Amino acid sequence: DAMVIQNPRYQVTQFGKPVTLSCSQTLNHNVMYWYQQKSSQAPKLLFHYYDKDFNNEADTPDNFQSRRPNTSFCFLDIRSPGLGDAAMYLCATSRGGQGPQETQYFGPGTRLLVL
Amino acid sequence: RKEVEQDPGPFNVPEGATVAFNCTYSNSASQSFFWYRQDCRKEPKLLMSVYSSGNEDGRFTAQLNRASQYISLLIRDSKLSDSATYLCVVNRGSARQLTFGSGTQLTVLP
Repeated sequence: DAMVIQNPRYQVTQFGKPVTLSCSQTLNHNVMYWYQQKSSQAPKLLFHYYDKDFNNEADTPDNFQSRRPNTSFCFLDIRSPGLGDAAMYLCATSRGGQGPQETQYFGPGTRLLVL
Repeated sequence: RKEVEQDPGPFNVPEGATVAFNCTYSNSASQSFFWYRQDCRKEPKLLMSVYSSGNEDGRFTAQLNRASQYISLLIRDSKLSDSATYLCVVNRGSARQLTFGSGTQLTVLP
């Protein structure tokens, strides 16, 4: 089945130790997104790629970086995780049309714990 | 003012009840409107898009009022499996920049 896959599902890291979360998709969608969702809060868009074009949200901290080496894969790098970065990280994809009903499809998320 | 505001609930309703959720948004230029549902510790899943004329999908009806910048979701004949958090989602800027509300929690009781 076509889908959005995130690995690992759970990640434990130490304060300040770089960590990479990965996302892959078999939908062949042009756009890949990364969201951060803290407990009982709304998912918050960090950035997205349209093909290789990177689009950062203005309020995304520099501590968060992303790479998209090819259409299928996208990575979220947290350079120096702090305790406040503990959250669920959600990857999503969409076709990349300009219509108002551009639907985003989410992966199962990676739950990050910072010790 | 938050870009997308929802009543957090929780809404506790008996099976078979009708329940309505409301959502307001601040950006009058928004063009894309959705309801997503999110089960506990799972990813958001699209429930339905919201069209200007209103739309229905089985037991679910969504309405959009652009003048009041208000979106609603009506669930009829609630099932136990409807228990989840319902997220109101609106675009800002491009169609790809979505803002999620914090969600309304629904529990359907037997």
